Amino acid sequence: AQTVTQSQPEMSVQEAETVTLSCTYDTSESDYYLFWYKQPPSRQMILVIRQEAYKQQNATENRFSVNFQKAAKSFSLKISDSQLGDAAMYFCAYRRTRGGSNYKLTFGKGTLLTVNP
Amino acid sequence: DTGVSQNPRHKITKRGQNVTFRCDPISEHNRLYWYRQTLGQGPEFLTYFQNEAQLEKSRLLSDRFSAERPKGSFSTLEIQRTEQGDSAMYLCASSWDSFSGNTIYFGEGSWLTVV
Repeated sequence: AQTVTQSQPEMSVQEAETVTLSCTYDTSESDYYLFWYKQPPSRQMILVIRQEAYKQQNATENRFSVNFQKAAKSFSLKISDSQLGDAAMYFCAYRRTRGGSNYKLTFGKGTLLTVNP
Repeated sequence: DTGVSQNPRHKITKRGQNVTFRCDPISEHNRLYWYRQTLGQGPEFLTYFQNEAQLEKSRLLSDRFSAERPKGSFSTLEIQRTEQGDSAMYLCASSWDSFSGNTIYFGEGSWLTVV
């Protein structure tokens, strides 16, 4: 079974600084998707960024970028120029590409990010 | 497009009572999912619908839980004879089926507290 591990329960960053959130995963699949989701307090979870495992190039979405290390099964999220609105719980998630249950997301336990003004 | 809508947002119930949550997915999304999230944990998969067919149920979904999606539109999640361990946030999500990379959109969740 696939597992996702987020080893940092909490992180903090100063506004305008850069922070990196860690995620490791375990799978025997060669093709899959990895995601970072953001869950603000009392608000819906939204997709921040997505990475396809077959792509070597790291995904980037504005101030958000990932460092995808397939051999190491590592998928970290870097937030540059942190803003107060970035404060939220961040979840790393895995989804297989093919085969049974390829619609199912497996989540880590999350990292609570605090942004200090 | 109003997003995934869930109600009620909060429900407090006494142990042993039945509760029902409703989810309205994004229109024309044919896939619908229910997840459960407890404090300090990430969401855990409960069940999945493709149109009106329930195609997978997690072992987390005991026989006290039942989910339906009549006519492939809205979905309901009913919990019978609630227990304190059922206290959690129940998340609904939906997506359009074409390939597994399609974005899954989540609702704001329904908080259940069993006292």
